[in-house]
Amino acid sequence: AQSVTQLDSQVPVFEEAPVELRCNYSSSVSVYLFWYVQYPNQGLQLLLKYLSGSTLVESINGFEAEFNKSQTSFHLRKPSVHISDTAEYFCAVRILNQAGTALIFGKGTTLSVSS
Amino acid sequence: KAGVTQTPRYLIKTRGQQVTLSCSPISGHRSVSWYQQTPGQGLQFLFEYFSETQRNKGNFPGRFSGRQFSNSRSEMNVSTLELGDSALYLCASSSDLPGQGYEQYFGPGTRLTVT
Repeated sequence: AQSVTQLDSQVPVFEEAPVELRCNYSSSVSVYLFWYVQYPNQGLQLLLKYLSGSTLVESINGFEAEFNKSQTSFHLRKPSVHISDTAEYFCAVRILNQAGTALIFGKGTTLSVSS
Repeated sequence: KAGVTQTPRYLIKTRGQQVTLSCSPISGHRSVSWYQQTPGQGLQFLFEYFSETQRNKGNFPGRFSGRQFSNSRSEMNVSTLELGDSALYLCASSSDLPGQGYEQYFGPGTRLTVT
């Protein structure tokens, strides 16, 4: 069965520090990969996605993630975080060639940015 | 375009009752998926509807059911509520167009509390 592991449940960092949120997936078939962000009392917002092509994908607010097929990872990084980045981050996969659009989510990583 | 809307935003029910939650997808989206989010289990896929047909189903008991109408709006129903059904229920819609990776857009969720 496919699964997604987010290796850190909580990541505290200081403002302007770099951060990496780790995500590994287990799948014997090809997948699409996503990172979603959830702010308190809100739904999930898509941060970035990997479908194919370049293994490095970027978001408009400075986050980037790199798909590593050999390590089955899709870690999320930002070189300098802001207070406003405080939120919960979810890594998710969708299995290719499977009917439907169901996403398999990791348990989430709470990023806490302090000044 | 308006985003995914869910009603109601908050609900309090008693054990044994039933509840119906509603979701209106983004205009033009034909796929609607439902997820349950709890602190312990994280985000778990309930089911997906596409063109009024259930296309995919997660591992939940039969007390959880759903349907989709011809205008793509969807409802989910939970019968004989249990305390463990307390959760944030998220609806997501997708265009299901090739090349978009079945990207899902989430609503703000319905917070269900069972007492």
